[in-house]
Amino acid sequence: AQTVTQSQPEMSVQEAETVTLSCTYDTSESDYYLFWYKQPPSRQMILVIRQEAYKQQNATENRFSVNFQKAAKSFSLKISDSQLGDAAMYFCAYRSALRRKLVFGKGTKLTVNP
Amino acid sequence: GAGVSQSPSNKVTEKGKDVELRCDPISGHTALYWYRQRLGQGLEFLIYFQGNSAPDKSGLPSDRFSAERTGESVSTLTIQRTQQEDSAVYLCASGLQGALSEQYFGPGTRLTVT
Repeated sequence: AQTVTQSQPEMSVQEAETVTLSCTYDTSESDYYLFWYKQPPSRQMILVIRQEAYKQQNATENRFSVNFQKAAKSFSLKISDSQLGDAAMYFCAYRSALRRKLVFGKGTKLTVNP
Repeated sequence: GAGVSQSPSNKVTEKGKDVELRCDPISGHTALYWYRQRLGQGLEFLIYFQGNSAPDKSGLPSDRFSAERTGESVSTLTIQRTQQEDSAVYLCASGLQGALSEQYFGPGTRLTVT
């Protein structure tokens, strides 16, 4: 079974600075997708960024980018120019190409200090 | 348009009682997912519906848990004879049929079993 590990329960960053959240995963599959979700106190999960495993190029979405290392099974999220509204729980998730369910890590709580 | 809605927002029930949680997906979304989020944990997959296909029930933790969905409309998750370990936030998501289709999450139902 696939597993997703987020080794940083909490992280903090100063406003306007850059922070990187770590994620590793374990799978024997070669075709899969990886996601970062944001969950603010409202509980609503919001997709931040996604990466297809067959793509070598790292995904970027405005201030959010990933460092995808397939051989190392690592998928970190970099947030540049951090804003107060980025404060939330961040979850890394894995999805097999064969199945639709998402497998989540336990999350990292990000605090943004003014 | 309207997002995924869930009701009730919060539910407190006594141990041993049955509860029903409701999910209204985004109109036109053929896929519907239920996840459970225990305090301080990531989301755990429960069940997945795709159109008229047989649902993927592989995540249901026991036979006390069941879910129904008629066509592409509302889904209900039923927990019979609730236990204290069932206390969690239950999140519903919906999406289109495509393999890369994003899962759009509702705000969840917080269930507390006393």
